[in-house]
Amino acid sequence: AQSVTQLGSHVSVSEGALVLLRCNYSSSVPPYLFWYVQYPNQGLQLLLKYTSAATLVKGINGFEAEFKKSETSFHLTKPSAHMSDAAEYFCAVSGYTGRRALTFGSGTRLQVQP
Amino acid sequence: GAVVSQHPSWVICKSGTSVKIECRSLDFQATTMFWYRQFPKQSLMLMATSNEGSKATYEQGVEKDKFLINHASLTLSTLTVTSAHPEDSSFYICSALIAGGLDEQFFGPGTRLTVL
Repeated sequence: AQSVTQLGSHVSVSEGALVLLRCNYSSSVPPYLFWYVQYPNQGLQLLLKYTSAATLVKGINGFEAEFKKSETSFHLTKPSAHMSDAAEYFCAVSGYTGRRALTFGSGTRLQVQP
Repeated sequence: GAVVSQHPSWVICKSGTSVKIECRSLDFQATTMFWYRQFPKQSLMLMATSNEGSKATYEQGVEKDKFLINHASLTLSTLTVTSAHPEDSSFYICSALIAGGLDEQFFGPGTRLTVL
């Protein structure tokens, strides 16, 4: 069984500030981990993914995430927030083959204040 | 590349009618597609896994007679909501895996269904 916990349903930061969105996972097999972003009334766009290669993963739009097995975490960070980063962010996990469906966290809404 | 489309993007129907939603992989072949539903301000919940040429696998609690899934080709999966009721109103999102590819799912833009 797999599960994902995203701490904080809402996160608000100032423009230019550090963004930190938290994700902890539970998986009985080596996980594949993903971060997706969703803008209102749109589908999901992949930000980055971890698939057992480098533990520090760099994604699009300046985001990165670090896989920490000992902490079962995969937190998403960005050094400097931009207004366009305001959206819903989902952490997700799948099984080692990656061919199983994704299990999503509950999501974190990021607000960026001017 | 790896674009997934959904049609329609939104639909409003009367209670009791059936609605078909299409999910197409535009520039790749997809042996596996997934259907998710998302209620307002909530996360995505997997409804079913659709494999080309075989019956869909439904998640626990999802009525297969109500949500009919057909994956007749490597580029098209359809979800039909039969005898829709207001509680079926939701955002339906499909995703697709590239045949022979690795682990990344590509998501469609979603279909908003409103049942009056």
